[in-house]
Amino acid sequence: EVQLVESGGGLVKPGGSLRLSCAASGFTFSSYSMNWVRQAPGKGLEWVSSISSSSSYIYYADSVKGRFTISRDNAKNSLYLQMNSLRAEDTAVYYCARVRGSGIANRLDYWGQGTLVTVSS
Amino acid sequence: DIQLTQSPSFLSASVGDRVTITCRASQGISSYLAWYQQKPGKAPKLLIYAASTLQSGVPSRFSGSGSGTEFTLTISSLQPEDFATYYCQQLNSYPRRFGQGTKVEIK
Repeated sequence: EVQLVESGGGLVKPGGSLRLSCAASGFTFSSYSMNWVRQAPGKGLEWVSSISSSSSYIYYADSVKGRFTISRDNAKNSLYLQMNSLRAEDTAVYYCARVRGSGIANRLDYWGQGTLVTVSS
Repeated sequence: DIQLTQSPSFLSASVGDRVTITCRASQGISSYLAWYQQKPGKAPKLLIYAASTLQSGVPSRFSGSGSGTEFTLTISSLQPEDFATYYCQQLNSYPRRFGQGTKVEIK
């Protein structure tokens, strides 16, 4: 069974840092691209970042570029999101999601349960 | 960047109704579109990908259509468990934006 379990969320002051983790199981992690998607309280989904299976291709939303860094450790079946210079508007539930398929068949087919990040003084 | 606009943002319907949600892209994205369902406090769930391909395990009352800039998600006969928020996402280019969501509530 595919499982994605996020951790590392919490309360952090503006300007602070946090590292999120996503532990993957039930599939060959090293074969899949992965994404981070966030959702501010009461708001819609916002795509944050994407990393290819071998970390060769990495993309970010403009809202986090230069502050967040996505990475992965295929030996540990884990995905990470290092978040620096955090702002109040980064407050959200952060989901990791698996990318399935290629080309037109690309989709986010499995999602974790999410971890809440609150940026407040 | 490609923008996605969903309509309506809010929809009130009854069990058994046929429901259609539209997603418009600011430029052509072929069929690089997926639809997700999200219930309160839960992670999104994939319903449709490649604009019209039903994800395994999703009931056949859900269907998707369209290509280019206009797409629709249709629920042929709304069931109690379908009351949720629905999002489209484009996977043609980065950033992989989502639409703003359509909340389907009980009439």
